Amino acid sequence: AQSVTQLDSQVPVFEEAPVELRCNYSSSVSVYLFWYVQYPNQGLQLLLKYLSGSTLVKGINGFEAEFNKSQTSFHLRKPSVHISDTAEYFCAVSLMFSGGYNKLIFGAGTRLAVHP
Amino acid sequence: DSGVTQTPKHLITATGQRVTLRCSPRSGDLSVYWYQQSLDQGLQFLIQYYNGEERAKGNILERFSAQQFPDLHSELNLSSLELGDSALYFCASSEPLLSSYNEQFFGPGTRLTVL
Repeated sequence: AQSVTQLDSQVPVFEEAPVELRCNYSSSVSVYLFWYVQYPNQGLQLLLKYLSGSTLVKGINGFEAEFNKSQTSFHLRKPSVHISDTAEYFCAVSLMFSGGYNKLIFGAGTRLAVHP
Repeated sequence: DSGVTQTPKHLITATGQRVTLRCSPRSGDLSVYWYQQSLDQGLQFLIQYYNGEERAKGNILERFSAQQFPDLHSELNLSSLELGDSALYFCASSEPLLSSYNEQFFGPGTRLTVL
């Protein structure tokens, strides 16, 4: 069965510092991986996705993630965070059904708190 | 703005009651997904509809049901509500092409509080 583990429930960081949010997944088949961001009182917004190809994926707002098949990881990074990056971040894996339909399995989330 | 709309934004009701949450997908999207986000269970997939037909089911309780109408909007019905049903309910929609992956676009959610 596919599952997603986000290793940190909370990550405090100072503004302009680098940050890494860790995500590990388990799957016996090829996976599609995603990072979503949820700002306070808002819905989920896709930050980036890995479907195939280059293992380094660039997303919106300066975020990037690296797919590591041997370590079954998909860590999210940003070299310099802003106060506005304060939000909850969710790692997700796509579970495929026959007929091409898919559902997303989410990790528990990591709350990124950026302090001035 | 993802283009997915959900109403109402907030809903407060009592135990034992029944409520209906509504979702309008992005223009042209045929698939609608429902997710529940609660403090203890996190984000969980509930159910998916494609062009009016149920296609996939997740951890959806028997007290919950959903449907997708000919105009493609969807409703999630929650009955015999319990305190533990208090959560944020998200709807998402995706493109009509049935490929190996269809990106899901999420609505702003409906926050349900059961007192």
